[in-house]
Amino acid sequence: DTEVTQTPKHLVMGMTNKKSLKCEQHMGHRAMYWYKQKAKKPPELMFVYSYEKLSINESVPSRFSPECPNSSLLNLHLHALQPEDSALYLCASSQDAGPGTDTQYFGPGTRLTVL
Amino acid sequence: AQSVSQHNHHVILSEAASLELGCNYSYGGTVNLFWYVQYPGQHLQLLLKYFSGDPLVKGIKGFEAEFIKSKFSFNLRKPSVQWSDTAEYFCAVRALRGATNKLIFGTGTLLAVQP
Repeated sequence: DTEVTQTPKHLVMGMTNKKSLKCEQHMGHRAMYWYKQKAKKPPELMFVYSYEKLSINESVPSRFSPECPNSSLLNLHLHALQPEDSALYLCASSQDAGPGTDTQYFGPGTRLTVL
Repeated sequence: AQSVSQHNHHVILSEAASLELGCNYSYGGTVNLFWYVQYPGQHLQLLLKYFSGDPLVKGIKGFEAEFIKSKFSFNLRKPSVQWSDTAEYFCAVRALRGATNKLIFGTGTLLAVQP
């Protein structure tokens, strides 16, 4: 099973709201990722968690706050977002985050609209 | 800095035509190379990957790609496209340096296959 699930599929929020995106995988992977994809653009890495520890933050604004409660779950907490943050947010996982022969598997994404 | 170039932004083909999508990367060290596909309304799926060994890699759905190290290229090919191949195709590179698995995506090529 190479499935990564994400909820919700769609989210509309105001600039003062607080919401969370969720990602789950049951492949026993120890690395999980958040990407942001704007329309007609490639995915851009936001965060990497390795063994439940944050290992990469690509200079993402603090209004995005990741959390990895356990090895299967990855959350992205959103607060005080801007309209330009509207995008498809993708979660991915891989066996681990070290250099080697691991492949990232992507979830379907959450389509976020900030009003 | 590592980068990935996909020179064809939009390709239109008729069914049964042959396909070649270009991908060039800039990084002098060891790389792992990937092609991902994103069908309309669906999530990113892995088409094929190159880690080492035979530079001609076969993937799913009749796709193949050839790694040419001297040209820093990893072009995607399919001898005969189908309407169902209409999708966006992303080339991605992972530089094997440091401790973390970071994918750099190209800008994508939108393929439209006309019946």
